Amino acid sequence: KAGVTQTPRYLIKTRGQQVTLSCSPISGHRSVSWYQQTPGQGLQFLFEYFSETQRNKGNFPGRFSGRQFSNSRSEMNVSTLELGDSALYLCASSLARIGDQETQYFGPGTRLLVL
Amino acid sequence: GDSVTQMEGPVTLSEEAFLTINCTYTATGYPSLFWYVQYPGEGLQLLLKATKADDKGSNKGFEATYRKETTSFHLEKGSVQVSDSAVYFCALSDHRGRGSTLGRLYFGRGTQLTVWP
Repeated sequence: KAGVTQTPRYLIKTRGQQVTLSCSPISGHRSVSWYQQTPGQGLQFLFEYFSETQRNKGNFPGRFSGRQFSNSRSEMNVSTLELGDSALYLCASSLARIGDQETQYFGPGTRLLVL
Repeated sequence: GDSVTQMEGPVTLSEEAFLTINCTYTATGYPSLFWYVQYPGEGLQLLLKATKADDKGSNKGFEATYRKETTSFHLEKGSVQVSDSAVYFCALSDHRGRGSTLGRLYFGRGTQLTVWP
């Protein structure tokens, strides 16, 4: 079974631009979460989607948004990029089975550099 | 709120040495606990997990026991190899009530392990 895939793997943008990152979860997984990883702040939770609905959101500005499609694939968008948005963006998927404390499986990440 | 405190690195060991990476947590409920590993240029890989008190997670020679009384989940390996060189993250998943299927992960800051031959 294929793992979580993320595209693109690397991205260079300039300040003020916007960017869209894509995540395809493991087949059958219904929940997708996004995390930002930076040397200074470590791993921080962005948001979580289940059945096309955002169920949980971290402490990030409104410039960070996301969505989930009916096939569970997810995208996240960052508008008006700032230098501090340079990071590794990780997507994770899980089965989200009722009653289980499901395990999240991570993709390889998209490394974003903002110049 | 929920949080994870992890031993600061870097940790440098010789091959076949014993490894311990300390991890303690704060949680309001009864979380599940995880260790993830990140190799250079890659995402996170699940190493092991434990879902309730006194559970022991194990994988590839690594072990960690969920200790509710000390709120700890220390990672151990009896004999490390060069290939174990990576960054290790302790994490917890919060429980959000009966019937809830969802949870977010709270991560420690990570511990860089380097193993020399």
